[in-house]
This record gives sequence, structure tokens and C-alpha cells, in this order.
Amino acid sequence: DAGVIQSPRHEVTEMGQEVTLRCKPISGHNSLFWYRQTMMRGLELLIYFNNNVPIDDSGMPEDRFSAKMPNASFSTLKIQPSEPRDSAVYFCASHLWGGKNEQFFGPGTRLTVL
Amino acid sequence: QKEVEQDPGPLSVPEGAIVSLNCTYSNSAFQYFMWYRQYSRKGPELLMYTYSSGNKEDGRFTAQVDKSSKYISLFIRDSQPSDSATYLCAMSDGNYGQNFVFGPGTRLSVLP
Repeated sequence: DAGVIQSPRHEVTEMGQEVTLRCKPISGHNSLFWYRQTMMRGLELLIYFNNNVPIDDSGMPEDRFSAKMPNASFSTLKIQPSEPRDSAVYFCASHLWGGKNEQFFGPGTRLTVL
Repeated sequence: QKEVEQDPGPLSVPEGAIVSLNCTYSNSAFQYFMWYRQYSRKGPELLMYTYSSGNKEDGRFTAQVDKSSKYISLFIRDSQPSDSATYLCAMSDGNYGQNFVFGPGTRLSVLP
């Protein structure tokens, strides 16, 4: 099993540019989570999907952030326009709903907005 | 007051020491308690998982939960340099979303 796959692993962009982060969850998992991690704020939940449907997006910081899950094997997190304060590591995690209360994390995307 | 508080660290100990990592929380609805370990530039991975109060042991690791005090601990015996990582507590009331909360993490260094 390849685990949760995220791409790109690193992204450096300029303020105002659009950024798209990608995630492939573990096959068979039906819940997917997007987190943001910074030194100041720790690990913050942005949004989570259950069976491809967004369930809780209350952690999405503002309208510049959007997330989609068009099918069970793919999700995107988009930031448009990006700002320097969006610099962080973004993690995707997946989970099998009804199973053990465990999330499996991807390796993360380190985003730097200049 | 944050919902979950954790000793900020960083914590440095010599190899072989016993390490105690702690979290306190405020939401009495939490029933599931976890410890995740995060190596540098990696995603967190589940280390220990407990339900309700009590102890759970797995090798050199012991997780303790005291729901009456809203306090959880992770003990590492005979610590090894490979244990050097950030440890995050996490807890949930059984649901996800904002009901699944991570602590800010404690960075541990075990010196050979």
C-alpha cells in the first residue's frame, strides 16, 4: 500500500498566484481531511470529506481557500490568490469511516508564498 | 484557554531516560485519546490509541488517561535516539471535524 500521496512536496510561489495542492487517499478509505501546520498555530483542520461530500469546512480560513473531492481517489485544495501568510505545511489524511478512530497522513506539501 | 494544551518543550533527555509527555483538555465529551509521532518533514503517524480512562502499554510506550482530571500522558521507557520527534496528543468525542482536536506538540530530542 502506497499510503496517502500528496503532490507537490514543495511549492514556492509569489503572492497573488493560484496554488493547487493534490491528494490521493488510501484506497478504500472514505474520509479525507486537509490540515495546515505552522509553528504558531500547530495542526489545524481546514476541511473534511466523507464519501466525497464536504462535511465540515468551518476551518477554511477564508474564501481564497477551496477544496474539492471529485471522486474517492482524488482531492484538491486550492488557494487563489495566495498570500505570504498562507506559507505552511499542508497535510492530507484519510480514514476508514466506522473503523478505528485513526487518520493516516500523507507526507505533506511545504508551501512558501513570497 | 485552548481546548487542548500540551507541554511546549522542546525536551532533551539522555538515551535510556524515562520520558513523560502530557496534555490537558477542557472538553469532557472527549472519549478517544491518541498520541501521534511526527518525524521531521514527515506527516504524523498514530503511536497509541486509547478509549476512555485507563492505561495502555505497547512495548516501551505507555499511554495513560485520567478523564476525571482531563489529563493524558505518554511515557517512553528506555528512550532511544530514534524516539526523537514531535509528539502530538489528539482527542475526539467519536466524531470528526472540529470534534477531533490535536495538541500543539512537544518536540523531544533523545541524545546518545
